[in-house]
Amino acid sequence: GQQVMQIPQYQHVQEGEDFTTYCNSSTTLSNIQWYKQRPGGHPVFLIQLVKSGEVKKQKRLTFQFGEAKKNSSLHITATQTTDVGTYFCAGPEAAGNKLTFGGGTRVLVKP
Amino acid sequence: NAGVTQTPKFQVLKTGQSMTLQCAQDMNHEYMSWYRQDPGMGLRLIHYSVGAGITDQGEVPNGYNVSRSTTEDFPLRLLSAAPSQTSVYFCASSLGPGTEQFFGPGTRLTVL
Repeated sequence: GQQVMQIPQYQHVQEGEDFTTYCNSSTTLSNIQWYKQRPGGHPVFLIQLVKSGEVKKQKRLTFQFGEAKKNSSLHITATQTTDVGTYFCAGPEAAGNKLTFGGGTRVLVKP
Repeated sequence: NAGVTQTPKFQVLKTGQSMTLQCAQDMNHEYMSWYRQDPGMGLRLIHYSVGAGITDQGEVPNGYNVSRSTTEDFPLRLLSAAPSQTSVYFCASSLGPGTEQFFGPGTRLTVL
């Protein structure tokens, strides 16, 4: 079946620094979704990318969808303590009704 | 709109007991799903439904049953709880698997 993998699993970041987390799918995706889960909370939708090579920005967050639509990345600039949490990517099956989540990247910020 | 609601928030069971986790949404979404989240792991799909009367298995369906008699409700049943089912359970709803998923607050289940 479809597999979605994220690296790194953990990211320790100094406040003010930049970092990138990566998402890779075993199959071509029709779109990629990103979610953020704060500690003790539930996943909350951030964004969806649909087109090959698409890039979208939300303030300090930049999301990119790969040309082959099998990978994606999330880049955060000038990390703040409010960025703490786990970031998940998710992709629907090309021919089916399942949505598969990656294992997530847990972000810890050092002040 | 209340969005997606889940009850209970916390539950402790003994091995072999049964229970039902409730999930309801008021957004008229056709697609609903159940995930479990274990420490350090991502969200694993248990069961999903594309509409009333239609359900299907996800990647970890064993030990769980679901039904979808109405658009609003999607309960998850544990027939005989096992310690391996200790987890946080999230219900989600949306227009479809390729669209924004709205998650409930979760149910934290411990099986002793």
